Amino acid sequence: GQQLNQSPQSMFIQEGEDVSMNCTSSSIFNTWLWYKQDPGEGPVLLIALYKAGELTSNGRLTAQFGITRKDSFLNISASIPSDVGIYFCAGASGGSNYKLTFGKGTLLTVNP
Amino acid sequence: EPEVTQTPSHQVTQMGQEVILRCVPISNHLYFYWYRQILGQKVEFLVSFYNNEISEKSEIFDDQFSVERPDGSNFTLKIRSTKLEDSAMYFCASNGNSANVLTFGAGSRLTVL
Repeated sequence: GQQLNQSPQSMFIQEGEDVSMNCTSSSIFNTWLWYKQDPGEGPVLLIALYKAGELTSNGRLTAQFGITRKDSFLNISASIPSDVGIYFCAGASGGSNYKLTFGKGTLLTVNP
Repeated sequence: EPEVTQTPSHQVTQMGQEVILRCVPISNHLYFYWYRQILGQKVEFLVSFYNNEISEKSEIFDDQFSVERPDGSNFTLKIRSTKLEDSAMYFCASNGNSANVLTFGAGSRLTVL
């Protein structure tokens, strides 16, 4: 099956710092999504990307859909304590099922 | 904001017992999914459901698993005879008219003893 390589696995940063995480795949995706998961909760959508090269922002979050369709990154600027959580990339390769393949997640810890 | 609701939030069961996890997807959504997340691991696709039938399932979704939409609102996942390795968080998700944007429920934690 399709695999997504997400890195880094975890990050420990100070409040106010910027953060970057990325996902790569050996196969092409038509859609890239970034989700955040808080402890004991389901994934919550942060950003959806639909076109190769697309750069989209949502507040302090910016994500890009790679030109090759095989990668995506997520940047968080000026981190705050509530940014703590697990960030997952997810890709969809098309078709009517909208099945998502998830990366293994990046655990973000923000020290106040 | 519309949300996907799941019950129970946590279920503990003995190995070999049947379990039914329930979901109420967002009302105007047409595609429904179950995903699983073993503790500390990534979220994995189990099954997608559209037009009252399974549209795709993963290799995890073996004969012990079944899904049903018994009425216009509920979407259920049944595990016929639970195994220890079925212990996980099970997420229901639904999709409306936004391509590939799934809305997830808060999950049902299943613990098999």
